[in-house]
Amino acid sequence: GQQLNQSPQSMFIQEGEDVSMNCTSSSIFNTWLWYKQDPGEGPVLLIALYKAGELTSNGRLTAQFGITRKDSFLNISASIPSDVGIYFCAGQNPYNFGNEKLTFGTGTRLTIIP
Amino acid sequence: DTAVSQTPKYLVTQMGNDKSIKCEQNLGHDTMYWYKQDSKKFLKIMFSYNNKELIINETVPNRFSPKSPDKAHLNLHINSLELGDSAVYFCATRQGSSYNEQFFGPGTRLTVL
Repeated sequence: GQQLNQSPQSMFIQEGEDVSMNCTSSSIFNTWLWYKQDPGEGPVLLIALYKAGELTSNGRLTAQFGITRKDSFLNISASIPSDVGIYFCAGQNPYNFGNEKLTFGTGTRLTIIP
Repeated sequence: DTAVSQTPKYLVTQMGNDKSIKCEQNLGHDTMYWYKQDSKKFLKIMFSYNNKELIINETVPNRFSPKSPDKAHLNLHINSLELGDSAVYFCATRQGSSYNEQFFGPGTRLTVL
């Protein structure tokens, strides 16, 4: 099935650093979602974006819905140890009305180096 | 109360067996999904149900059969388990209408020996 291109695949950073990751698609989406998955748990929704150009924050997290509707990015400022995990983007195709489903990115694994 | 719950958390079984995974949600959402996450962490949709009606079936082998006894439950039954079925299975829900956010359960790790 289709997957979104998400980069980077993994990141190794020091505590306190800022983080940036993005997703790109060949198709347009009407919704972009960002999730975080901790080991042994299900993905947890961080931010939802519904409009092209929309910039939304959730604490130290900021995400944007790209103007072309084909991309989105997530920034984390001043990383802390609990930010460790796998981050997924997900997009919804606007033409699947009544058949709504998300296409997920390949994930970005964030590791904080002591 | 847990919004989306799954049982069991872990399931270890022999090849050829039949097993079920249960999902329950107390969010009152209209749509429920099953996803499979492989060892590379790729999340792939398998099925979705809306008000007990099958909406999406993503080329999943017919050994997998979802069943929705009511709006709050979506169970996954798997016949004749194969080694390649080993994965983490997630249930998710969506409110419906114009809300596209999906909320995931904690997952069921299935290991087929």
